[in-house]
Parts: sequence; structure tokens; C-alpha cells
Amino acid sequence: DARVTQTPRDKVTEMGQEVTMRCQPILGHNTVFWYRQTMMQGLELLAYFRNRAPLDDSGMPKDRFSAEMPDATLATLKIQPSEPRDSAVYFCASGLSGQGGAGELFFGEGSRLTVL
Amino acid sequence: AQSVTQLGSHVSVSEGALVLLRCNYSSSVPPYLFWYVQYPNQGLQLLLKYTSAATLVKGINGFEAEFKKSETSFHLTKPSAHMRDAAEYFCAVSERGTYKYIFGTGTRLKVLA
Repeated sequence: DARVTQTPRDKVTEMGQEVTMRCQPILGHNTVFWYRQTMMQGLELLAYFRNRAPLDDSGMPKDRFSAEMPDATLATLKIQPSEPRDSAVYFCASGLSGQGGAGELFFGEGSRLTVL
Repeated sequence: AQSVTQLGSHVSVSEGALVLLRCNYSSSVPPYLFWYVQYPNQGLQLLLKYTSAATLVKGINGFEAEFKKSETSFHLTKPSAHMRDAAEYFCAVSERGTYKYIFGTGTRLKVLA
């Protein structure tokens, strides 16, 4: 059963520490998205990739966040240094771009980050 | 720029009653529209999508949505609510060719026995 896999599921860290979240998209999918979910802001689009190339990362705080796709099977979201306001659930989603934006996104179960 | 607005962050209905969750979009070109559902501690799952075929779209679990261009709306309905429908529902818009999916802030549906 194909699914998007995210690690870690839960992470508690102290302010100032580096945090790396990983995502394995569904095999064959060529678009990957990072979203952040909080009670106050809902689902915010942080960054997305098509064929491993970043298309838009304007939703991401540039000074501390970075997103990469080292290869087609791995996407990473890094926060350095982390701050308490980064506490949220981070979702990765993947899809196929051939439908021009009409395709379904498949979500992972999320990485819950708590920064103390 | 595309955006989506969901009216009502919380909606409560009695079991067996009609469910109506509202979504309005803003887009410079006819968009693709989606409804997703999120159960506790899980990711989002697709309920249904509109991609410019029929304006009335049927999805899973008895849900359907109607695309109304004149009202820029894509409201989600279900004739009879069930306890298992309790979840958070997200409307999303994707502007053609951008591959950029923007989600609304979500509506938490509570079903009362």
C-alpha cells in the first residue's frame, strides 16, 4: 500500500537546536509539498518541489528554515536554530504533476514538533 | 493570487441531520477545487475534487459538493450526518498549471448523538 512516510513522528527539542524532518514520497510521484499546521494558522504551505526542483518556498522563514530534495525518494525540512514558535505539526504530501494541478495530494501522518 | 475561505471554524450537527460546510475561493482563472478530511492524529485524505467536468461532484462517504462559478463557492454537503463524520474538513484550491495547492483554515465538524 503506497504511502508517504514521515520521520520522526514526534520530536521534542530545546530552543536553539537543529531539527531535521524527513519525508519519503510515494514512488513515482514528482511533486512534494511541505505544510505546517497550527491551531492559529491552519495549514500553511512552506515549500514545494516539482521533479526535485524547488518551485516556491516563499511561505518559509528563510533565515532558519531550509527545504531540499537530495534525491527523488527523500525530501528534508531543516530548522536551525529552532524556536518555540516553530512548534507545530509538519506535513509532507506528494502527488503527480501531469494533471496540471488537478491531481490528488497524498499526505503523510505528520511530524509533531515541540520546541521548549 | 489564489485563496480559499472557509466560513465557520466549528460546526455542530445532530446525527442524521444535514451537513453543510462552506467554502469560497478566489482565483484569477478557473481553479481546481478539493475537499480533504483529517481524522485525529492523521494526515489529510481526499474526499472529492472538481476539475471542470460536472459541477456536482460526488465523493466518498456520501459527501458531495457543488461548484458555483457565479458565487465562487464549493460547499460540501451530506444529507445525513453520522458519528464517524466527526473530523476536520479542509477546502483547497489549485490554480491551473501552478501545482500550488492552498488550503483553507479548516472546519471542525462535531456530530451530536
